[in-house]
Amino acid sequence: GENVEQHPSTLSVQEGDSAVIKCTYSDSASNYFPWYKQELGKRPQLIIDIRSNVGEKKDQRIAVTLNKTAKHFSLHITETQPEDSAVYFCAAFNTGTASKLTFGTGTRLQVTL
Amino acid sequence: NAGVTQTPKFRILKIGQSMTLQCAQDMNHNYMYWYRQDPGMGLKLIYYSVGAGITDKGEVPNGYNVSRSTTEDFPLRLELAAPSQTSVYFCASNYGGERRTDTQYFGPGTRLTVL
Repeated sequence: GENVEQHPSTLSVQEGDSAVIKCTYSDSASNYFPWYKQELGKRPQLIIDIRSNVGEKKDQRIAVTLNKTAKHFSLHITETQPEDSAVYFCAAFNTGTASKLTFGTGTRLQVTL
Repeated sequence: NAGVTQTPKFRILKIGQSMTLQCAQDMNHNYMYWYRQDPGMGLKLIYYSVGAGITDKGEVPNGYNVSRSTTEDFPLRLELAAPSQTSVYFCASNYGGERRTDTQYFGPGTRLTVL
């Protein structure tokens, strides 16, 4: 089955700096890659996703890149703000055969003033 | 739409007790999931369902049971609660089927403590 590795497990950046979280996946057939943000004590919520037919997707200060050859994808947050502090989960999915997402282990991002 | 709802929000159980965590969605989603999240950890899939009457095990199904008699409801049953089942339980759902890349929505969670 699919296996998703996520790094780093914790990340501390100063407000205004950029943050990058990386994930690798094992199943080359996976073709959908969502990112979830979970604030303390809250439920995970989708913030951005990418499909395997594109290499990059942006939404304001967040962007996701995908390298299918290397089987890795990354979340980029620019101009970080204190409200970006949360745990971020990546996930991978094969739309042809899978019934469930495979999640990474999460990255705790702390944005300091 | 209320989205995905879960009850109760909090519960304390004694070792050996049983309980059912309720999950309901009003979005006509076919796929539903139960995850557990231990403190400071990631999401582990317990059980999932791709439609009424169809359920399957995730990576940590031991100690739990599920049923899916309707599209809307997906209860999770804990039998003989153990301290290792202390966790936050999230229910989630999405359309699935042909819309396999649609967003998975999570409920607010149930915080369970077993003493």
